Amino acid sequence: QQPVQSPQAVILREGEDAVINCSSSKALYSVHWYRQKHGEAPVFLMILLKGGEQKGHDKISASFNEKKQQSSLYLTASQLSYSGTYFCGTEIRGSNYKLTFGKGTLLTVNP
Amino acid sequence: GAGVSQSPRYKVTKRGQDVALRCDPISGHVSLYWYRQALGQGPEFLTYFNYEAQQDKSGLPNDRFSAERPEGSISTLTIQRTEQRDSAMYRCASSLRRYTSTDTQYFGPGTRLTVL
Repeated sequence: QQPVQSPQAVILREGEDAVINCSSSKALYSVHWYRQKHGEAPVFLMILLKGGEQKGHDKISASFNEKKQQSSLYLTASQLSYSGTYFCGTEIRGSNYKLTFGKGTLLTVNP
Repeated sequence: GAGVSQSPRYKVTKRGQDVALRCDPISGHVSLYWYRQALGQGPEFLTYFNYEAQQDKSGLPNDRFSAERPEGSISTLTIQRTEQRDSAMYRCASSLRRYTSTDTQYFGPGTRLTVL
């Protein structure tokens, strides 16, 4: 039931864009995105609750395709501060409000 | 305001010893979650509480692991007769309301447990 994230890792130059995908084999109720820097706790980015919902957060946005059971995180005009590991946490319908996290996508932004 | 705090931050113990890990959630937060995070992996759910009631403990690996939150605030995760495979980062998170779907989980700094 663990969601599958892709790619596993991506390297960007400052100013470039990236997309991180999160797919589930089960019907999703919500998707939560977090970013974790090395040696630190995961930090909340956004929650997506409805199929088709898109949210934005500075130059980071996300979409949720309930039918395809997947979510995508979009990072535009990346900054050095965007570097870190991105995790999606998925709540499956009937899971008693538990989050299951993917293995993460390591994003490195270079000058 | 203060975030989620955990203690100790680092714990080294010998195999067979019991350990107690403490989590102090954000004041007023109803829900409290325990996760285990291996290096290079996402957090793995262990258990969670709404107030003092343990809602789900399906993620606890075996009966050596237990958790409590007696007064609906501070929580303790106890591992009895520790084994080397228990070595990991143990993280706590809290959220204001009861239902994950609509609420943010705020993670603590974690306790790095090493079992020798």
